[in-house]
Amino acid sequence: AQSVTQLGSHVSVSEGALVLLRCNYSSSVPPYLFWYVQYPNQGLQLLLKYTTGATLVKGINGFEAEFKKSETSFHLTKPSAHMSDAAEYFCAVSDAYSGGGADGLTFGKGTHLIIQP
Amino acid sequence: DAMVIQNPRYQVTQFGKPVTLSCSQTLNHNVMYWYQQKSSQAPKLLFHYYDKDFNNEADTPDNFQSRRPNTSFCFLDIRSPGLGDAAMYLCATSRPWSGEQYFGPGTRLTVT
Repeated sequence: AQSVTQLGSHVSVSEGALVLLRCNYSSSVPPYLFWYVQYPNQGLQLLLKYTTGATLVKGINGFEAEFKKSETSFHLTKPSAHMSDAAEYFCAVSDAYSGGGADGLTFGKGTHLIIQP
Repeated sequence: DAMVIQNPRYQVTQFGKPVTLSCSQTLNHNVMYWYQQKSSQAPKLLFHYYDKDFNNEADTPDNFQSRRPNTSFCFLDIRSPGLGDAAMYLCATSRPWSGEQYFGPGTRLTVT
């Protein structure tokens, strides 16, 4: 069974400051890892993903994340926060090998990012 | 642009009155998913289709059914909605083995 833990249901940073959203996962097999962003009353938009290969992945809107197998972590960062980054962020995991190629995502509980002017 | 479309965006139904939510995709993906997202919670997988093969999550209530008449369309039927079924319902698609899912904008269901 897989699970995802996002530390901090709410994170507040000042505009221009570093954004760090934490995600830890558990999985018995190599995982695929994702970060999604959700704006109010909208669907989920993929920010970035890790499947295989380079452990530092870059995504849209200046976000990046690093897969650290030894720490079972996939933290999301952005060097300089912008007001438009205010949203709900979900970390998610899927099983790379099972599900017959169609594995649903297991999401963390989400982190609400607040940007202070 | 290739995309996932959900209609309607907002749906109001009465307690116990059947309701159908629809999802269509222009991505030609084999796999389609339905998630339920209650207020301030993470999305929870209800079921998915891999082509015509239906896969139900073990804890999905029997009240929820799904149909996929062709590659492009998938429907979520709630036979007798209760107040606890009020939520955002998200449709997603993926290619097999890619892991990455593409989400529609969601349908917010209100039960009165």
